[in-house]
Amino acid sequence: GENVEQHPSTLSVQEGDSAVIKCTYSDSASNYFPWYKQELGKGPQLIIDIRSNVGEKKDQRIAVTLNKTAKHFSLHITETQPEDSAVYFCAASQTGYSTLTFGKGTMLLVSP
Amino acid sequence: DADVTQTPRNRITKTGKRIMLECSQTKGHDRMYWYRQDPGLGLRLIYYSFDVKDINKGEISDGYSVSRQAQAKFSLSLESAIPNQTALYFCATSDPGTGNSYNEQFFGPGTRLTVL
Repeated sequence: GENVEQHPSTLSVQEGDSAVIKCTYSDSASNYFPWYKQELGKGPQLIIDIRSNVGEKKDQRIAVTLNKTAKHFSLHITETQPEDSAVYFCAASQTGYSTLTFGKGTMLLVSP
Repeated sequence: DADVTQTPRNRITKTGKRIMLECSQTKGHDRMYWYRQDPGLGLRLIYYSFDVKDINKGEISDGYSVSRQAQAKFSLSLESAIPNQTALYFCATSDPGTGNSYNEQFFGPGTRLTVL
């Protein structure tokens, strides 16, 4: 089955800096890669996703890049703010209609 | 009102007890999921259901069972709870073709279960 590795497990940045979280996957058939944000005491929430026919996708301060050859994808957050502090999960699936395999999560702490 | 609700939100129980966690949704989605979250281990899929008559095992189904009572309700049971089932449990729903993503999962607020 699919295996998703996520790094780093924790990331501390100063407000205004950029943050990058990286994930690798094992199944070359995977073609859907979402990112979820989990705030303290809440369930995860989708923030951005990318499909294998796209190399990069951007939504305001967040962007995701995908390298299918190397089987890795990354989340980029620019101009970080304290409210970006949360746990972030990457995930992968073969199609948009099957189950997701999640990475182990990255705790991002943005200090004022 | 929340679209995906879970009851109870917190539960403390003893080894060997039977426990049921309940999930209800008002999103009208066919697909429902149960996940377990442990520190450092991320989200792991326990069971999932793509419609009322469909039940599938996930990555870590041993020691758990589920019941899909209706489109809106999906329950997770621990027949004989053990301490290593202490974790945060999440229910989620999805419906391909709706929402901003073609497989966006919508999570409930979670149930924190402690087995002593």
